[in-house]
Amino acid sequence: NTVMTQSPTSMFTSVGDRVTMSCKASQNVGINVGWYQQKTGQSPKRLIYWASNRDTGVPDRFTGSGSGTDFTLTISNMQAEDPAIYYCLQHNSYPWTFGGGTKLELK
Amino acid sequence: QVQLQQSGAELAKPGSSVKISCKASGYTFTSYYISWIKQTTGQGLEYIGYINTGSGGTNYNEKFKGKATLTVDKSSSTAFMQLSSLTPDDSAVYYCARLYGGCDYWGQGVMVTVSS
Repeated sequence: NTVMTQSPTSMFTSVGDRVTMSCKASQNVGINVGWYQQKTGQSPKRLIYWASNRDTGVPDRFTGSGSGTDFTLTISNMQAEDPAIYYCLQHNSYPWTFGGGTKLELK
Repeated sequence: QVQLQQSGAELAKPGSSVKISCKASGYTFTSYYISWIKQTTGQGLEYIGYINTGSGGTNYNEKFKGKATLTVDKSSSTAFMQLSSLTPDDSAVYYCARLYGGCDYWGQGVMVTVSS
């Protein structure tokens, strides 16, 4: 199975900061990666699909990049509503696998 | 708008089975597969499998073969997952999600608690 390793596991940030988090795949997954935001008590919500495409309605401060084995989610201007756990998902090969998540909190 | 409405929370005894549902609306049901995902605090998010909503064909994560059975009722635009021979390790929140470029829309989740 493809292992998706996210880093850091948690981070504290401030409103207005630029935030970068990483997802590394144990084998080549092409661009078949998505990023998901899960707030407390809610279902995951997809932000980015096929590595770099923003879902409809997702603010443009969220940017996905990467291909192959290395992927990045960047929040350019952290907002008060952005604290959540962020997950990556590879859907290149079965079984699809999720990263362990990056918990983003405000200082 | 696309919605996936899941059934309510379940409390089940060890050794029993539960069947949870996922009713789709706002799109043509048979045009997209439905997947199922398990979430626990310890194991995070785990892909269980998917069902082809048109043909009923399925794909399971090896880990969940024999545990989960996926079915679909096209007439009601509803997908189902049955979990059998329940143990405390099956206690989790279970999500259904529509497949497109990964999982684009998710249900609200069903909490399954297995306890005697």
